[in-house]
Amino acid sequence: ELQFLASGGGLVQPGGSLRLSCAASGFTFSNYAMSWVRQAPGKGLEWVSSLSGSGGSTYYADSVEGRFTISRDNAKNTLYLQLNSLRADDTGVYYCAKEDASTSYGQMGYWGQGTLVTVSS
Amino acid sequence: DVVMTQSPLSLPVTLGQPASISCRSSQSLVFSDGKIYLNWFHQRPGQSPRRLIYKVSNRDSGVPDRFSGSGSGTDFTLKISRVEAEDVGIYFCMQGTHWPLTFGGGTKVEI
Repeated sequence: ELQFLASGGGLVQPGGSLRLSCAASGFTFSNYAMSWVRQAPGKGLEWVSSLSGSGGSTYYADSVEGRFTISRDNAKNTLYLQLNSLRADDTGVYYCAKEDASTSYGQMGYWGQGTLVTVSS
Repeated sequence: DVVMTQSPLSLPVTLGQPASISCRSSQSLVFSDGKIYLNWFHQRPGQSPRRLIYKVSNRDSGVPDRFSGSGSGTDFTLKISRVEAEDVGIYFCMQGTHWPLTFGGGTKVEI
């Protein structure tokens, strides 16, 4: 059974940083690209970033480019998202999602439970 | 960016009756490989999204066959043949053809 355990969210002041983690199990982690998608309170879904199975290719939404960094540790079956220079509009639930293949994007077949990031003073 | 426009925003439904949600993209979703990367997701209150349909019309494992997807180019539809109580929630379409990946604004289905 595929499982994702997202963690690292919390309350942070504007300008602060957080590191989100998504521990995966139940599949060969390195064989699949992974993505982060966020959802502001009461709002829709917004793609944030994607990463190939090897970790060699990364993609970012314009709204987070230069502030967020996606990475993975295939030995630990864990996906990360480093959030820097946080702003109030970064507030929301951050979901990790498994793509259908190593270099397949926008094909998010499985989602984790999400971790809440709140940016407020 | 490709804009995904869903309609209606809210859809009151009757148990046992059909329902239909529309999703329109601002440009063609046909990828260079000839495939269309259009997905449908369902999100129940307080839960993570679950993918129902991928590449326009392919049902994910475990998705009831009352759900079906269709469309081409820029116009897509999700249909529920007979609505059940568990189908309430928000439905999102999403395109995976162009960067950045973009979602529709969602359609809230309620009994």
